[in-house]
Amino acid sequence: DAKTTQPNSMESNEEEPVHLPCNHSTISGTDYIHWYRQLPSQGPEYVIHGLTSNVNNRMASLAIAEDRKSSTLILHRATLRDAAVYYCILRIGGGADGLTFGKGTHLIIQP
Amino acid sequence: KAGVTQTPRYLIKTRGQQVTLSCSPISGHRSVSWYQQTPGQGLQFLFEYFSETQRNKGNFPGRFSGRQFSNSRSEMNVSTLELGDSALYLCASSTRVAGGQETQYFGPGTRLLVL
Repeated sequence: DAKTTQPNSMESNEEEPVHLPCNHSTISGTDYIHWYRQLPSQGPEYVIHGLTSNVNNRMASLAIAEDRKSSTLILHRATLRDAAVYYCILRIGGGADGLTFGKGTHLIIQP
Repeated sequence: KAGVTQTPRYLIKTRGQQVTLSCSPISGHRSVSWYQQTPGQGLQFLFEYFSETQRNKGNFPGRFSGRQFSNSRSEMNVSTLELGDSALYLCASSTRVAGGQETQYFGPGTRLLVL
């Protein structure tokens, strides 16, 4: 399975943008890039996903490199509630297999 | 719409016992997946059920099993519990649409402690 690499932790200030990187150099042409996050004492929740083009939703933006070997999750204005572990996950197109979680990035938000 | 519910939320068992955890998916969702989360191994996929059939399975021993009922509710069972089975067990439901990129909605989990 294609793997992802994320920094163990990142720190940001409240109300500032946050850029969470993810490297996936062995991504295949049919792999979708998904992001989930897990707030303390909760189950993971979906954030965003994309294939080739940049994607935006009410929670975040996903910027995908042209060669697709890396991507960046962008939180435009971090709040304390965004403190969580963020997971970058690759999912095979057309498949419905389980999510393969890595270690993720522990995002710390300073007030 | 109500979210994914899991019962019980907390459970304490002793080695050698068995345990059954329950998951009620979001209304209309027919796929239920189970995950185990431990500090050492992180989040790992156990198995997925769709239309009462196991569709996918992770790399776990046969002591871990599950089933799904006609109303899409699912149970997972762990027999002959070991200390290493202490974990947060998460259930996720989805619509399992064609293309396989559907969002998975997670419940709050059942925290199992094996003594």
